[in-house]
This record gives sequence, structure tokens and C-alpha cells, in this order.
Amino acid sequence: TQLLEQSPQFLSIQEGENLTVYCNSSSVFSSLQWYRQEPGEGPVLLVTVVTGGEVKKLKRLTFQFGDARKDSSLHITAAQPGDTGLYLCAGGRAAGNKLTFGGGTRVLVKP
Amino acid sequence: KAGVTQTPRYLIKTRGQQVTLSCSPISGHRSVSWYQQTPGQGLQFLFEYFSETQRNKGNFPGRFSGRQFSNSRSEMNVSTLELGDSALYLCASSWGGLGTEAFFGQGTRLTVV
Repeated sequence: TQLLEQSPQFLSIQEGENLTVYCNSSSVFSSLQWYRQEPGEGPVLLVTVVTGGEVKKLKRLTFQFGDARKDSSLHITAAQPGDTGLYLCAGGRAAGNKLTFGGGTRVLVKP
Repeated sequence: KAGVTQTPRYLIKTRGQQVTLSCSPISGHRSVSWYQQTPGQGLQFLFEYFSETQRNKGNFPGRFSGRQFSNSRSEMNVSTLELGDSALYLCASSWGGLGTEAFFGQGTRLTVV
């Protein structure tokens, strides 16, 4: 059972365009983490959000955690080819360090 | 500060064999989690060790096991390998507090033939 649903599964855009990736769940998480993964490598942590309604900005990336802590979004402004990769959201619960991952969104930014 | 180190990076094994993978966490981190990543199932949680004790376990058969040493290094073992065990095995390190951030290693690519 996939507790975290990511959409879309695949996104192909031109350099300079904006994009948004969504991560939705019917369950409440105590924290939500976003990762980017490149082929053959481990996921690299981008950000952690813990408070409902929280918004975090990391240069051209904006992350939002829903008020009910069940959903999150990642928005990239003026995407660049270096933003290409697999974006993963992962929810954490208070009971231990077990992360539940979404299925991932594969982003391709064409020059 | 050194990141999470996984060895080996690549492995090829035959069905029926067993394999041991190793993970050295970030210095000071006491929690190590293991994940299996496949194209069909995505990233799935195997188990988590904290202070040498298994704290959480995913839904994998008993052929998958792990342990953690006093220096926080961890190993996972897969016995009686099956073709479906071919995957990228990832280790994640965190300091161990509930719900804290996890940092991943580069993974071990296991191919079972």
C-alpha cells in the first residue's frame, strides 16, 4: 500500500520554465522530507518540513507542508538542466526513524 | 565531515548464495536504516537499528537480516538469494532522535543471476 502518492510521475520541461511536484497522503506525518536522486546514487536530502503550513525556500526551490501535515509540494522556479533528477518525498512518524517514501517524480529539464 | 559510506558499491551473486552489505554512518549518528530500491516498488524500508538494537522493521521475509555494532556501523545480510532481490540497497544515517533527518549513502547495487 502506497501511503504517499506523488504526482506527476514524470515531468519534462524546457529550461527556464517553472514546475510543481505534489506529495499527498491520507495519513498524518510528523515530518516530511524531500530528496533528489540521480541515477546510481543515493538520495540527497533537500529539505525537512515539520510544522503544518510551513514554507521553506532554498534558492529557486520552495517547499510547502500542508496545514494538516498530510501533503506537501515542491515548486521550482526557472528550472535548469542541473535540476534534472528523481524527486522523492518521504514521511516520518514520531515512532522511530522509519521513512515512508512516495513513488517519485522524474524531472527532465531540457536546455 | 565524512558522509555515509556503503561497501561494496556493486555485487553480482548467484541464486541461492548469501550476501553481506556494510554501512558506516556519519560520525556521531546512532541510527542506521536500510532500504531496498527497485524500479517497480520504489524505496521500501527494511529495518532500522539504534544503539545495536533493531527499533523498526519493514515487511520483508526473514531472509533479510541486519545488525549494528557498538561503533554504529551496520551490516545487512540476505540469505538464499532470489532473482527478485536484485536492487539498489541504501543505508540511511541519522542521529537517532525520533523523526530526525536521514542522510543516505550511495548504495550497493546487487545483481542476482
